[in-house]
Amino acid sequence: GAGVSQSPSNKVTEKGKDVELRCDPISGHTALYWYRQRLGQGLEFLIYFQGNSAPDKSGLPSDRFSAERTGESVSTLTIQRTQQEDSAVYLCASSLQGAGGYTFGSGTRLTVV
Amino acid sequence: TQLLEQSPQFLSIQEGENLTVYCNSSSVFSSLQWYRQEPGEGPVLLVTVVTGGEVKKLKRLTFQFGDARKDSSLHITAAQPGDTGLYLCAGRYGNNRLAFGKGNQVVVIP
Repeated sequence: GAGVSQSPSNKVTEKGKDVELRCDPISGHTALYWYRQRLGQGLEFLIYFQGNSAPDKSGLPSDRFSAERTGESVSTLTIQRTQQEDSAVYLCASSLQGAGGYTFGSGTRLTVV
Repeated sequence: TQLLEQSPQFLSIQEGENLTVYCNSSSVFSSLQWYRQEPGEGPVLLVTVVTGGEVKKLKRLTFQFGDARKDSSLHITAAQPGDTGLYLCAGRYGNNRLAFGKGNQVVVIP
C-alpha cells in the first residue's frame, strides 16, 4: 500500500490478557518505529528497527512489551498481561534508512478494561 | 532524555487571526521536524529544518529553527479552520531517533 497500515484500529481487552498489534510499513522503508501516545501526552518512543541491525529496545517500558519485525516488512508489538495503564494509542512509523521524516500509521487505540 | 517543551499547550483563536507556537529544549538537535495530528490519525510531517537560523515557509505557515538548534517556532498567518490540529515538534538525535514534545493544540473558530 501507499501508506503505513496498522491493525486493528481499535482494541478493547480485559486486564491480564495478551494483545498483538500489527504494522505494515511502506515498501522499501528500512526503518520502523513504535511509539505510544497517552491522552494529553507526547509520543513516547518504544522500539526502533533498522534493516537487519539489532533493534533499539531502550524505550520498552517493561518486559511485558516485545516487538518483532520480519526482515524489512511487517512488525508486531505484543503486550502480555495487559494493565490499565497500557491503555493508549500505539503508533507505528516508517522511514527511509532512518533519515528524513517519518510516515505514521493511524494507530491502534488500545483500551484495557 | 531529550526533552522538548511546547507552549502554549492549548490555543483557541478566531479565523483570520495570526498565531505563534513554540518548541524549546536545552538539547541541541541535528534537525527538527514539525508534524500536525488530527483526531484519530497519525501525525503528518509538515517540515524539516536543519540549519540554525533556518526559516521555511509552507503557504501560510512559517517555521524557524533557532540559531543554536535548540528551539523552533511555528507562525500561522490568517488562520483557517483547516489549521485546527495538534502540532508536534520532534528533534532528531543519536541513532536517528526522534524525541517528540507534547504538542500545541490549536483550535481555529470559524
